[in-house]
Amino acid sequence: SQQGEEDPQALSIQEGENATMNCSYKTSINNLQWYRQNSGRGLVHLILIRSNEREKHSGRLRVTLDTSKKSSSLLITASRAADTASYFCATGVYNQGGKLIFGQGTELSVKP
Amino acid sequence: EAGVTQFPSHSVIEKGQTVTLRCDPISGHDNLYWYRRVMGKEIKFLLHFVKESKQDESGMPNNRFLAERTGGTYSTLKVQPAELEDSGVYFCASSPTHRLAGNTEAFFGQGTRLTVV
Repeated sequence: SQQGEEDPQALSIQEGENATMNCSYKTSINNLQWYRQNSGRGLVHLILIRSNEREKHSGRLRVTLDTSKKSSSLLITASRAADTASYFCATGVYNQGGKLIFGQGTELSVKP
Repeated sequence: EAGVTQFPSHSVIEKGQTVTLRCDPISGHDNLYWYRRVMGKEIKFLLHFVKESKQDESGMPNNRFLAERTGGTYSTLKVQPAELEDSGVYFCASSPTHRLAGNTEAFFGQGTRLTVV
């Protein structure tokens, strides 16, 4: 089965609220990455967290990684309508040459 | 600096026809990857080039798919003959040197939306 599984599959919130998405994976990883896809566009890299890191911040984004539970979360604070998109976690598997294994994604809708 | 570019952005073809997708990676990136997202499902790895060599093609669905990367620059992905289940969005990504491949971000193109009717 697929390495990355995300929940929720869909999330609808009001502007200004926080959005939390979770990702679980199965095998040993080098890193875990989060990507965003706006409708009809390509994947945009948001943040990379290495397997020896536990938390990382980038602007309004906060990512945590718990390798003992094989899980990660992405928190978007003070959400905006422009944050509406699909969010994917992707794991860089150890010794796989940079190949990424993606989850099914979370569809985030931020209502103005 | 130009990002990863893919052509065409959309393609609609009939079942049984041939389609060739093209990807131009970021200049100097040794690693080039193809991925596919079928109808709202997860994004799946297809294959990985290091320069002109196929490093990993474990995700290629069947022998109707042929990928090439001539001279280690741009890459093409040909589907021949196309089937209905090949419809989806095909993404290309590139990243720098192989040594760093395991721990750097991959830069994705806008994708090619393929519809087989």
